[in-house]
Amino acid sequence: DTGVSQNPRHKITKRGQNVTFRCDPISEHNRLYWYRQTLGQGPEFLTYFQNEAQLEKSRLLSDRFSAERPKGSFSTLEIQRTEQGDSAMYLCASSWGTSGEEQFFGPGTRLTVL
Amino acid sequence: GESVGLHLPTLSVQEGDNSIINCAYSNSASDYFIWYKQESGKGPQFIIDIRSNMDKRQGQRVTVLLNKTVKHLSLQIAATQPGDSAVYFCAENPSSNTGKLIFGQGTTLQVKP
Repeated sequence: DTGVSQNPRHKITKRGQNVTFRCDPISEHNRLYWYRQTLGQGPEFLTYFQNEAQLEKSRLLSDRFSAERPKGSFSTLEIQRTEQGDSAMYLCASSWGTSGEEQFFGPGTRLTVL
Repeated sequence: GESVGLHLPTLSVQEGDNSIINCAYSNSASDYFIWYKQESGKGPQFIIDIRSNMDKRQGQRVTVLLNKTVKHLSLQIAATQPGDSAVYFCAENPSSNTGKLIFGQGTTLQVKP
């Protein structure tokens, strides 16, 4: 257990529905990251926050995706109008720093879109 | 876009032998590299990291080697144990202006008893 928690651990939804995931980072960490991982692949960067500011978004993050970290603590990732291609493991990580440093990953939320 | 890749998708070793997992990266500006271990159904777990001003770093039973000339990274695991069986990813931080990590596709390490 790294100290990063994610909820729910599993989510099954029907195409077209909206889903929201939550990540609680290690409390003193200023940076929070979202990644997506599909079977057999490495995690792909989606977005990250430094405190409450969203500093970078990947081209993978379409308009249907939105992430927030309103108070610089927990974060939510919402996917609107889900598609089957959104099925993946969504990983959250946190770190303390201002450049490259160790990121602590949560267990992930596995999304299945039917 | 740029990516970090691993040379072999699967590596099978005998328990007690040493394992070497290789990784090639493409971004010469990357200044931080990290190895993660991922077991089935779990998030990636930190193993060891190295900054670009170093060429070797040792941990407990693990060593990371960085060759910036050929943009190559390796992870050495000494006396491999069954508990080391997992997927191993290398990742790079492409510049000091971003916190993101770029991951390779992973090498599955299988340890035979």
